[in-house]
Amino acid sequence: GAVVSQHPSRVICKSGTSVKIECRSLDFQATTMFWYRQFPKQSLMLMATSNEGFKATYEQGVEKDKFLINHASLTLSTLTVTSAHPEDSSFYICSASQTDRGRGNEQFFGPGTRLTVL
Amino acid sequence: AQKITQTQPGMFVQEKEAVTLDCTYDTSDPSYGLFWYKQPSSGEMIFLIYQGSYDQQNATEGRYSLNFQKARKSANLVISASQLGDSAMYFCAMREGLNYGQNFVFGPGTRLSVLP
Repeated sequence: GAVVSQHPSRVICKSGTSVKIECRSLDFQATTMFWYRQFPKQSLMLMATSNEGFKATYEQGVEKDKFLINHASLTLSTLTVTSAHPEDSSFYICSASQTDRGRGNEQFFGPGTRLTVL
Repeated sequence: AQKITQTQPGMFVQEKEAVTLDCTYDTSDPSYGLFWYKQPSSGEMIFLIYQGSYDQQNATEGRYSLNFQKARKSANLVISASQLGDSAMYFCAMREGLNYGQNFVFGPGTRLSVLP
């Protein structure tokens, strides 16, 4: 099956530092990758959609300069939380899709990254 | 307006019994896909079942079946013979259109607890 990895799985950082989260499709080329954010006991909220070679499309209310997304290749997308603050603490999940693969056109999710900003 | 509604924040079911998790959706697009995902406490999103808007039959995957009522815009998940390992959050999601690059919209989720 399609596998998506995320690294790191957990990160704790000081306020003001930047944190980079990587999302990789391990056995397929991901045309599109999605970044979600999930607060405790809440649902997944889409932050942005990225297509390889194009600028990411951000959802309303998501700061582009705060959450930098780079989809430089068909197997890698990165999310950088710049100058992180405690309110950025959350569970970040990426997913990937491809046009000619998938069981019912599903998105393949990474295991998530838990960010804690002190 | 909410595109995906899950009216049950929490559900309890006795082990080995069946349980239905509700999901209603709202879209004007004739082409869409409906998905159910399970999220255990570890956080990973586990795909369970898919129903396409043009599918004539209800989807089934092992112990999971989807009760798709298109006219009522509902896509309830039925879990038969519940197991303790089924305790988790369950999310209903929809992708509008046929573009695989289109994002999913998730419902608020239902927390299922299976009792021994």
